[in-house]
Amino acid sequence: DQQVKQNSPSLSVQEGRISILNCDYTNSMFDYFLWYKKYPAEGPTFLISISSIKDKNEDGRFTVFLNKSAKHLSLHIVPSQPGDSAVYFCAASLTGTASKLTFGTGTRLQVTL
Amino acid sequence: DTGVSQDPRHKITKRGQNVTFRCDPISEHNRLYWYRQTLGQGPEFLTYFQNEAQLEKSRLLSDRFSAERPKGSFSTLEIQRTEQGDSAMYLCASSLELMYQETQYFGPGTRLLVL
Repeated sequence: DQQVKQNSPSLSVQEGRISILNCDYTNSMFDYFLWYKKYPAEGPTFLISISSIKDKNEDGRFTVFLNKSAKHLSLHIVPSQPGDSAVYFCAASLTGTASKLTFGTGTRLQVTL
Repeated sequence: DTGVSQDPRHKITKRGQNVTFRCDPISEHNRLYWYRQTLGQGPEFLTYFQNEAQLEKSRLLSDRFSAERPKGSFSTLEIQRTEQGDSAMYLCASSLELMYQETQYFGPGTRLLVL
């Protein structure tokens, strides 16, 4: 049972435009959500997180939006840069359960010139 | 750099052999996690330590897998009698149990290929 889903395996965006990556979850008990970026042959790198008590968190070019009623979150990257090309993973956890992360299957973002 | 480190980065072994991986967490982090990632999938939780105590193991962690974290510092993950299905990237992450909701920081991973 895939509790965290990223339904778009890939996304191509032009440099300077907005990239929007989506993530859906089924477990309403999840209360902390994170986005990681992964380059080939490297471990995931933490990007940004959001608690379920918020609906938006912003850090530089990265903004995460959380819609609890729809069990949906999205990552916005503005403006997109070629160095943003990577696989992006959405992850969720339940506070109080050692915070083990449940990951989606990832979305490969390609930022073209 | 004081991030999470893993050794080796790559391991090729023959079916039936034993392998051991090491993870050194960020020095002040008291929680350490192991995950496994296969092609086309996100990382999947295997086990977690708080200090030296192994507090949770996933059903993915068969009897052939064992993990230790002596003295609450580095951790090792051993796979005995490897099978081709064990081929994957093994990721280690660490976090600091200070805040209500903590962030895990990952190492570069060990890629295992079982022939």
